[in-house]
Amino acid sequence: GESVGLHLPTLSVQEGDNSIINCAYSNSASDYFIWYKQESGKGPQFIIDIRSNMDKRQGQRVTVLLNKTVKHLSLQIAATQPGDSAVYFCAENIEGDSSYKLIFGSGTRLLVRP
Amino acid sequence: GAGVSQSPSNKVTEKGKDVELRCDPISGHTALYWYRQSLGQGLEFLIYFQGNSAPDKSGLPSDRFSAERTGGSVSTLTIQRTQQEDSAVYLCASSQDRGTATNEKLFFGSGTQLSVL
Repeated sequence: GESVGLHLPTLSVQEGDNSIINCAYSNSASDYFIWYKQESGKGPQFIIDIRSNMDKRQGQRVTVLLNKTVKHLSLQIAATQPGDSAVYFCAENIEGDSSYKLIFGSGTRLLVRP
Repeated sequence: GAGVSQSPSNKVTEKGKDVELRCDPISGHTALYWYRQSLGQGLEFLIYFQGNSAPDKSGLPSDRFSAERTGGSVSTLTIQRTQQEDSAVYLCASSQDRGTATNEKLFFGSGTQLSVL
């Protein structure tokens, strides 16, 4: 079936470096994508979203890139900080028979080395 | 309230018992979602509410699982005759309007950690 997946389960970066977290999706009809950050013991926290009519969107220290040709989504974090250590999920919005819902990937753990 | 509130934060139960998990969404949010997260895994969709109606129950894993929402606000997820494989974090999220149908963000609670012994 359609699914969202991640290339790397764990990413370790040096504090101050840039981080890139990748995600592949397979549903070409998906029109909305979101990145969430989840810290231990907490619920997912919204980071940034992007609609399919865009290929790039920037937030504070974060940028999401969408390549619809190869169905690829990435999250770039500039000047990674220890507080960025968490699990990051991409999610795509899928239209089902009766509703839209977010389908999540399995997550990438980001570890920031001091 | 200021955010999505879930209770209890932790629940330990014996196999075969029934459990109820509660979600208080953000005030005014009409869309409400339940997800389940197993250890080290992504989020698995369970059910979606629009107001008090549940147009999408497709993610409920078995007939032991049910959910209701009253007054367009609080939602309760009930698991009957719990099994060990039900152990997971149950997350609730709310959203304005029609949720992701209108590309609205989902705001998540901290979840209920359910452990079935």
